[in-house]
Amino acid sequence: AQSVTQPDIHITVSEGASLELRCNYSYGATPYLFWYVQSPGQGLQLLLKYFSGDTLVQGIKGFEAEFKRSQSSFNLRKPSVHWSDAAEYFCAVGRITGTASKLTFGTGTRLQVTL
Amino acid sequence: EPEVTQTPSHQVTQMGQEVILRCVPISNHLYFYWYRQILGQKVEFLVSFYNNEISEKSEIFDDQFSVERPDGSNFTLKIRSTKLEDSAMYFCASNLNREGTQYFGPGTRLTVL
Repeated sequence: AQSVTQPDIHITVSEGASLELRCNYSYGATPYLFWYVQSPGQGLQLLLKYFSGDTLVQGIKGFEAEFKRSQSSFNLRKPSVHWSDAAEYFCAVGRITGTASKLTFGTGTRLQVTL
Repeated sequence: EPEVTQTPSHQVTQMGQEVILRCVPISNHLYFYWYRQILGQKVEFLVSFYNNEISEKSEIFDDQFSVERPDGSNFTLKIRSTKLEDSAMYFCASNLNREGTQYFGPGTRLTVL
């Protein structure tokens, strides 16, 4: 069964600093990987996704993530964080199952941005 | 941009009561999902639905739960007899093809008293 580990429960960064959120996955085949962001009281918004091809993927809001098969990782990065980036970030692995698919989420990393 | 909508945004119910959570997926999508997130915990898969039948369900999705696509636009989750532990945020999602991105609604917060 697939699983996702986000080792950092809570991260605090200063506005303008760089950010890296870690994600490790366990999955037997080529994974579909996603990063979603959840602002307080809001739903899940897709930041970026990896299906195949270029291992460095660009997303919305200036985020990028790099798929490293050898490390089973899909870390999210942003070169300069804005105060509005404060939110909870979820990494997820997708699996095709039967006639549909299924996402397995990590426990999330809460990002706090200090001014 | 098309989006998934969910109603109500917040539902409060008494233990043992039936609730129906409603979702309107993106109009041309074919695959539909329910997930839930208990406060402070991760988002968990409940069920997937395609071609008017359940594709997969999790262990959480027991006989108290059911899903239905009653017409061409709505997708519902029914909990027959709610328990305290059903209190959670319930998210609906949809995608056009099974490999594609799942787009999530804003969620319904269910509070069982």
